[in-house]
Amino acid sequence: NAGVTQTPKFQVLKTGQSMTLQCAQDMNHNSMYWYRQDPGMGLRLIYYSASEGTTDKGEVPNGYNVSRLNKREFSLRLESAAPSQTSVYFCASRLAGGGTDTQYFGPGTRLTVL
Amino acid sequence: AQSVSQHNHHVILSEAASLELGCNYSYGGTVNLFWYVQYPGQHLQLLLKYFSGDPLVKGIKGFEAEFIKSKFSFNLRKPSVQWSDTAEYFCAVNARAGSYQLTFGKGTKLSVIP
Repeated sequence: NAGVTQTPKFQVLKTGQSMTLQCAQDMNHNSMYWYRQDPGMGLRLIYYSASEGTTDKGEVPNGYNVSRLNKREFSLRLESAAPSQTSVYFCASRLAGGGTDTQYFGPGTRLTVL
Repeated sequence: AQSVSQHNHHVILSEAASLELGCNYSYGGTVNLFWYVQYPGQHLQLLLKYFSGDPLVKGIKGFEAEFIKSKFSFNLRKPSVQWSDTAEYFCAVNARAGSYQLTFGKGTKLSVIP
């Protein structure tokens, strides 16, 4: 049981390049999330998927797209990277119901955009 | 919209000192409350959570938090900190009425001096 996994761990891009961050969970959770973490800002929600087949914008969705490929996988795409997207990106999945409403986080992807 | 305030940006303590980290939220309805910890270079881990019942919640590693509804607060405490508690601590809240979103505070960095 690996929990939430993310690839890659580190990535350096040039301005204008595109890339996809991958996230997978093996806990059979319905909901999945993408956050970005910046110094002094805490975690801010980019997009989330309440269940397979649905996605919704969070607090800071501009410049990103997501795909909920299946119940296990939720990817985040940067179509044209900008230096302002330099951040650490965390994926999370959520177990809900029965008094156990908790999000579990992956190890993160550290992205630098030059 | 819900929001979370953490009063201290950086706290520095000596080993064996007592810890209290403040957290206040703004939301008029029923909430679930969480404290997450992020050790240097690692992902977020759940420290403790409150859903209902006894407002004094005990978590891992000797941490506890008290929910005071009248003050919209959920402060984290530990009677005696250790060097290994050096980390960043995040308070988070979600509205219980069907919300999929977790709102985080900006975090409090704790440095424990041996």
